[in-house]
Amino acid sequence: DAMVIQNPRYQVTQFGKPVTLSCSQTLNHNVMYWYQQKSSQAPKLLFHYYDKDFNNEADTPDNFQSRRPNTSFCFLDIRSPGLGDAAMYLCATSRGLGDQPQHFGDGTRLSIL
Amino acid sequence: GEDVEQSLFLSVREGDSSVINCTYTDSSSTYLYWYKQEPGAGLQLLTYIFSNMDMKQDQRLTVLLNKKDKHLSLRIADTQTGDSAIYFCAERSYNNNDMRFGAGTRLTVKP
Repeated sequence: DAMVIQNPRYQVTQFGKPVTLSCSQTLNHNVMYWYQQKSSQAPKLLFHYYDKDFNNEADTPDNFQSRRPNTSFCFLDIRSPGLGDAAMYLCATSRGLGDQPQHFGDGTRLSIL
Repeated sequence: GEDVEQSLFLSVREGDSSVINCTYTDSSSTYLYWYKQEPGAGLQLLTYIFSNMDMKQDQRLTVLLNKKDKHLSLRIADTQTGDSAIYFCAERSYNNNDMRFGAGTRLTVKP
């Protein structure tokens, strides 16, 4: 059974049109992460939530924001997508920080027209 | 910044063993992970090892850690075509939220 679920699997949006990607988890983990992965590259961490505490990576563009309304759900909002934002977006969870492994969803592939 | 490096490609024949290598530079790395990514999918955690261990075995998978040389390897015994995927090495230190990934090794298994 899927434990980290991302919807939709494929998302197409227009240049400059806001888009929201969704992640939910059934693991009751404290930490949720969003990564951006471009073709043939390693995932790049955008931000994470530890419970309700938001932690942004220093080089994450302002265009990317996130919301975590409850333990189970986390959203990635891209306010004005540019062509360079086309990528796979991966959500991950972990029980805690430090030693806890991260469990990934299947990702949402975002295309920009 | 700290780096994690992997060779980009590995090709083996079905039934042979595969060995995927990884080197890292952060001496405070405490936890090291191997993830598998199939086309169009997310990352699947295969196994992980703490830095106070030298080896971990899980069915067909064997992880070897040489902490002195900061070298990690993943051996897949009796490699099958279903093992074809990209394998990511990742490391993390205890107080660091950031999991640092290598660029991934694309394993191709030929029949």
